[in-house]
Amino acid sequence: SQTIHQWPATLVQPVGSPLSLECTVEGTSNPNLYWYRQAAGRGLQLLFYSVGIGQISSEVPQNLSASRPQDRQFILSSKKLLLSDSGFYLCAWSSGRLGLADTQYFGPGTRLTVL
Amino acid sequence: AQKITQTQPGMFVQEKEAVTLDCTYDTSDPSYGLFWYKQPSSGEMIFLIYQGSYDQQNATEGRYSLNFQKARKSANLVISASQLGDSAMYFCAMRETGGGNKLTFGTGTQLKVEL
Repeated sequence: SQTIHQWPATLVQPVGSPLSLECTVEGTSNPNLYWYRQAAGRGLQLLFYSVGIGQISSEVPQNLSASRPQDRQFILSSKKLLLSDSGFYLCAWSSGRLGLADTQYFGPGTRLTVL
Repeated sequence: AQKITQTQPGMFVQEKEAVTLDCTYDTSDPSYGLFWYKQPSSGEMIFLIYQGSYDQQNATEGRYSLNFQKARKSANLVISASQLGDSAMYFCAMRETGGGNKLTFGTGTQLKVEL
């Protein structure tokens, strides 16, 4: 069965510091991968998605970037964090093979606080 | 205009009773998919149920069913025989044909199951 991991689970960082969040998927190959952000009490906002190694699509221009160095690894980064980057970051995967029914499965999330 | 609207910020239900969580959507695509996710206090998003726009029957998954009324553009989630463990945030989401891999989420409904 497929599992998705994220780390760290929680992170407190000062403004202006760099960021690296990691997401890995097990039990599947060539998945679609996604990064979402959830502000407190809000729905999810898609930040980036990837359909393959080195292929990244950005949904929202911002202070963040994403990379996919390996088939089942997705990394969210920032060179300099802003206060507005605080939130709950969720990684998800899907098979990419079911069209509209392609269900996204989420990891446990990383809670980021920028002070 | 909001693509996904969940008008109930909070709902209460007695244990063992059924509850309906409302979701209306806005799209001009003829083909689309609708999803419901559960988010417990731990934060992980758990996939519950999927309904395709051309599916003839309402989707069901165990105690979850989707009351899909295409003409009214509504996709309400019905939870039967509520359990204490159903207390969580519930999100409705949509994928449109023209939206690629993007899932658009509503703002969610907080459900609390009481004894």
